[in-house]
Amino acid sequence: DVKVTQSSRYLVKRTGEKVFLECVQDMDHENMFWYRQDPGLGLRLIYFSYDVKMKEKGDIPEGYSVSREKKERFSLILESASTNQTSMYLCASNLGGSNIQYFGAGTRLSVL
Amino acid sequence: QKEVEQDPGPLSVPEGAIVSLNCTYSNSAFQYFMWYRQYSRKGPELLMYTYSSGNKEDGRFTAQVDKSSKYISLFIRDSQPSDSATYLCATPYSSASKIIFGSGTRLSIRP
Repeated sequence: DVKVTQSSRYLVKRTGEKVFLECVQDMDHENMFWYRQDPGLGLRLIYFSYDVKMKEKGDIPEGYSVSREKKERFSLILESASTNQTSMYLCASNLGGSNIQYFGAGTRLSVL
Repeated sequence: QKEVEQDPGPLSVPEGAIVSLNCTYSNSAFQYFMWYRQYSRKGPELLMYTYSSGNKEDGRFTAQVDKSSKYISLFIRDSQPSDSATYLCATPYSSASKIIFGSGTRLSIRP
């Protein structure tokens, strides 16, 4: 079975802190994604990576950056956390050319 | 207008009822459609995947696509409390494997 693991289920951070969300997949997938999920807004793509060190902005990249130094790991970075970044963050991965994405369990981030 | 629209619900039905979940989309170029199911405090998981108009059945679940009206549906027969979840319709929109998701419909099946 494909496994996408997000390092934290719940995080509480303070405004202005630098926050790292980590995601690891074990199926040698080329593509990895970071989404945030908010009530009424669904899943919105923050960043996407199609290869090591390669990244592409999604629909809402402002305030976020990403890092992909190894194929299996994709990190989302909040440079200076703000209260409007309180949300559920979901990581996903898939094989290149496949439309089916596999998701982690999510990280619920609260910024106080 | 969002490219994929979905009624957020919540929708509450008694056990054993037939459930109909619906989405509309705006871009006639969309060809593939998916339904993801998301249990509380979990990530979404793929439930059904369809291409072209018509029906696709998998056990108690039927996915239907009507391209002429840009309407996609998921029917659940003999609904069970374990079907209580948020259901998201989705469609891929680029060769880079990106997906547009509807906002999700929260479904509750009452025992």
